[in-house]
Amino acid sequence: DQQVKQNSPSLSVQEGRISILNCDYTNSMFDYFLWYKKYPAEGPTFLISISSIKDKNEDGRFTVFLNKSAKHLSLHIVPSQPGDSAVYFCAASYLYNQGGKLIFGQGTELSVKP
Amino acid sequence: AAGVIQSPRHLIKEKRETATLKCYPIPRHDTVYWYQQGPGQDPQFLISFYEKMQSDKGSIPDRFSAQQFSDYHSELNMSSLELGDSALYFCASSSDSPLHFGNGTRLTVT
Repeated sequence: DQQVKQNSPSLSVQEGRISILNCDYTNSMFDYFLWYKKYPAEGPTFLISISSIKDKNEDGRFTVFLNKSAKHLSLHIVPSQPGDSAVYFCAASYLYNQGGKLIFGQGTELSVKP
Repeated sequence: AAGVIQSPRHLIKEKRETATLKCYPIPRHDTVYWYQQGPGQDPQFLISFYEKMQSDKGSIPDRFSAQQFSDYHSELNMSSLELGDSALYFCASSSDSPLHFGNGTRLTVT
């Protein structure tokens, strides 16, 4: 049973435009959400996180939005750059353990074209 | 900055053999996690250790065991290997922070 779902396996965006990656979750007990970026032959790299007490968190070009009622979060990348091309994983966890045990989505492969 | 080190990067084993994967966490990180990522799948949590004690357990087969040593490095021991164990195995470490992942060990069972 997939508790965290990324329904788009791939996304292609033009350089300079906005990339929007979506993620849905089923377990309402999750209260901490993270986005990881993964290049081939490397481990996932932490990008940005949000706790359930907030609905938005920004870090430079990356913004994560959380809609608790819809159990949905999204990652916005503005402006997109070719170096952003990677697989993006959404992950959910519990704040009490500082997001240690992560439940990952299936990933979305982002391709940013020059 | 120091990262999580995993060894070996690649490992090829035959069915029914054993394998040992090693993980060296970021200095001063007290918690280690192991994840398994099968082909085309998302990483699945296997097991974690905090201060050398098992802290949580996920979908880890009974054929697998792990431990964290006094220097905080961790080893994942896998016995009676099966073809389905072929995957990327990631180790991650943290200390009240988001997980930092190593680059993984790719295990191929033939």
